[in-house]
Amino acid sequence: DIQLTQSPSFLSASVGDRVTITCRASQGISSYLAWYQQKPGKAPKLLIYAASTLQSGVPSRFSGSGSGTEFTLTISSLQPEDFATYYCQQLNSYPPSTWTFGQGTKVEIK
Amino acid sequence: QVTLKESGPVLVKPTETLTLTCTVSGFSLSNARMGVSWIRQPPGKALEWLAHIFSNDEKSYSTSLKSRLTISKDTSKSQVVLTMTNMDPVDTATYYCARIRAMVQGVIIFDYWGQGTLVTVSS
Repeated sequence: DIQLTQSPSFLSASVGDRVTITCRASQGISSYLAWYQQKPGKAPKLLIYAASTLQSGVPSRFSGSGSGTEFTLTISSLQPEDFATYYCQQLNSYPPSTWTFGQGTKVEIK
Repeated sequence: QVTLKESGPVLVKPTETLTLTCTVSGFSLSNARMGVSWIRQPPGKALEWLAHIFSNDEKSYSTSLKSRLTISKDTSKSQVVLTMTNMDPVDTATYYCARIRAMVQGVIIFDYWGQGTLVTVSS
């Protein structure tokens, strides 16, 4: 199975900071990667799909990039509502279509 | 308005079989290129993808849990059912269902999620 490794696992940042989270895949997955935001007690929310496509309604301060095995999620100017845990997910569509999540990155207020 | 709602037991005993139901509204389980996936999250831990089923009945399971999982759908009832056999305390988690859409060029998205249901495994 394809493994995803996120870094860092935890980061402390201030409002207004530029934040970057990295997700590395154990093998190439083209651009079949999504990013989610999850707040405590809530379901994950889709932010980015196909590595760089912003889901409808998601603020433009969120952006994604990468292909193959290395991907990044960037928040250009961190807002108070952005403090949450972020997960990447690979959706390699080739059979077998088994999909996996990264271990998460918790973004906390400095 | 698309919604998904998970239902099932709050507490199961070790070795029992868990049956969870995801009831959807706002879309049909027969819609082309759509389906439902199950995901779980142990308390304080990461998300884990479990299984999915598409409208054409294509199914897939987590490699590590494949022997214990069965996913099925009842289109007339707008329900997707997941069963997990031989439950263990390590299976204690919030279980989510999510709508999946197959878009162009093989892109899949999980665009709507249920609120989740916490299942505790304990004797």
